[in-house]
Amino acid sequence: DAGVTQSPTHLIKTRGQQVTLRCSPKSGHDTVSWYQQALGQGPQFIFQYYEEEERQRGNFPDRFSGHQFPNYSSELNVNALLLGDSALYLCASSLQGGYGYTFGSGTRLTVV
Amino acid sequence: QQQVKQSPQSLIVQKGGISIINCAYENTAFDYFPWYQQFPGKGPALLIAIRPDVSEKKEGRFTISFNKSAKQFSLHIMDSQPGDSATYFCAASMYGEGTYKYIFGTGTRLKVLA
Repeated sequence: DAGVTQSPTHLIKTRGQQVTLRCSPKSGHDTVSWYQQALGQGPQFIFQYYEEEERQRGNFPDRFSGHQFPNYSSELNVNALLLGDSALYLCASSLQGGYGYTFGSGTRLTVV
Repeated sequence: QQQVKQSPQSLIVQKGGISIINCAYENTAFDYFPWYQQFPGKGPALLIAIRPDVSEKKEGRFTISFNKSAKQFSLHIMDSQPGDSATYFCAASMYGEGTYKYIFGTGTRLKVLA
């Protein structure tokens, strides 16, 4: 049973560029949450998707946007990249209304 | 009010010793408190979790102690092993806008000396 799959694992982008990160949830899960984890910090909530809609959003600017597809997979898009966007981006899946989060291994984004 | 404060930032324990990590929260709407273990280059993995109607939960060498009145909870790792060396995050979850959201602590980097 595959867990949460994220791609790519590593990415290097230049300031001002745009990036798309992808996530396939654990089999049976229908909700996807995205987190940003800066080096040495705890994960910070970006947003959560369920039924292809953004349900909750953390304190992140509109440069961060997302999408969920009918098969529950999800994308995180970041526009106009800043150096401060360099972080590990984590995707977590769960069942709507359920407590348990399963995290992927993340995408390490470096902005130069 | 949505913060979860975690301490210590780092911890060094001898093999066989007890590791203790503490967390505190403010918002009484939180109703689920998991602990996650993260190894370098990996995503966090659920270790153990507790609901506020229980004061203690034990799974193997890992125990959560929960003090609802003090709004504090802690992770105890008994008989700590070098393989336990990792970063540990506490988290708190609450239901809102039709879904659950996790707020994480800042993490504790544990090193267990052989």
